[in-house]
Amino acid sequence: TQLLEQSPQFLSIQEGENLTVYCNSSSVFSSLQWYRQEPGEGPVLLVTVVTGGEVKKLKRLTFQFGDARKDSSLHITAAQTGDTGLYLCAGDVGNQFYFGTGTSLTVIP
Amino acid sequence: EAQVTQNPRYLITVTGKKLTVTCSQNMNHEYMSWYRQDPGLGLRQIYYSMNVEATDKGDVPEGYKVSRKEKRNFPLILESPSPNQTSLYFCASSLSFLAGGHQFFGPGTRLTVL
Repeated sequence: TQLLEQSPQFLSIQEGENLTVYCNSSSVFSSLQWYRQEPGEGPVLLVTVVTGGEVKKLKRLTFQFGDARKDSSLHITAAQTGDTGLYLCAGDVGNQFYFGTGTSLTVIP
Repeated sequence: EAQVTQNPRYLITVTGKKLTVTCSQNMNHEYMSWYRQDPGLGLRQIYYSMNVEATDKGDVPEGYKVSRKEKRNFPLILESPSPNQTSLYFCASSLSFLAGGHQFFGPGTRLTVL
């Protein structure tokens, strides 16, 4: 059973375009994290959101935590080739972390 | 340099041959965890540890064992590996498990069980 569903699973866009990745669940999370993973490496934390309705911005990346703390989104403005990678959301329940299935993003020059 | 190290990075073995994947962190973190990553399934937590001598099952613990005798080390043990344990394994650590604990991941261990 997958606690967190991410969509889309694959995304291929042109450099300069905008995109949004979604992370949805029926469970309530204490916090939600977004990671980015490059081939052959471990995931690296991008951001943590804790409060329902919270919006965080990291340069061209905007992260939002749903009001009910069950879902989140990642929006990238004017994508660059350096944004290419696997994006993972992760939520914590109890003492455990649950990861989404991931969104593989390819930005074409 | 603050880091999580795993060894070996690559391992090919045969069914039933016991193996251990080591994990060590130099950040004095309390929380440590093991994940496996499989295509289409994302990362799934195998075991986690809140502190020394405190380990608990994650989502997919069957066929695995762990120990936490020292704060810095958290080895993953496969007593009798089977082909369905072929996967990419990651160790991670964070200062604590408070909401929003920043997990640092190791570089991964690619395991193939024939």
